Amino acid sequence: AQSVSQHNHHVILSEAASLELGCNYSYGGTVNLFWYVQYPGQHLQLLLKYFSGDPLVKGIKGFEAEFIKSKFSFNLRKPSVQWSDTAEYFCAVKKNTGFQKLVFGTGTRLLVSP
Amino acid sequence: EAGVAQSPRYKIIEKRQSVAFWCNPISGHATLYWYQQILGQGPKLLIQFQNNGVVDDSQLPKDRFSAERLKGVDSTLKIQPAKLEDSAVYLCASRNIAGGSYEQYFGPGTRLTVT
Repeated sequence: AQSVSQHNHHVILSEAASLELGCNYSYGGTVNLFWYVQYPGQHLQLLLKYFSGDPLVKGIKGFEAEFIKSKFSFNLRKPSVQWSDTAEYFCAVKKNTGFQKLVFGTGTRLLVSP
Repeated sequence: EAGVAQSPRYKIIEKRQSVAFWCNPISGHATLYWYQQILGQGPKLLIQFQNNGVVDDSQLPKDRFSAERLKGVDSTLKIQPAKLEDSAVYLCASRNIAGGSYEQYFGPGTRLTVT
């Protein structure tokens, strides 16, 4: 069965530090990849997605992610975090065939201290 | 554009009781999803509707959970009877299949506590 692993469950950073959150998936076929974010008290919302083409994907609020097919990874990065980036981040994967469901990782809770 | 609406936001029930959740998707979104998010885990898909038809309910515990979307718009998810392990946030999401976008828009969720 498809699975998604997020290795960091909790991350604490100071403002201006660089961020990288890991995401690995276990499916060998063509996939669509997503990062969702949930700010405190708010809904889950899409941060960025990869379907095809350039493996370096730019998202909202300065986030980017790189798809490395050989490593089955889709890590999220931001060069300089802000206090407002405090949130929970979820990686999700969908097989690129038909009505395949979105499978989420367990999430990484990021706390940015001012 | 109004977002996905869910009610109630919070519900506390005793085990073996019944509970129902309601979802109103974004207008025009044909696809509707119900997810269960247990504390410390990511959302897990329970059921997916395309208009009023079920596309995937493989992870829905059908002995106690049921869901319907009779007119292809609003949806209800019911648990009868509830167990302690059903304590979770129940998320509804919708998607506009036109244009090929796969973005799902999530509602605020219903936090269920079973005591």
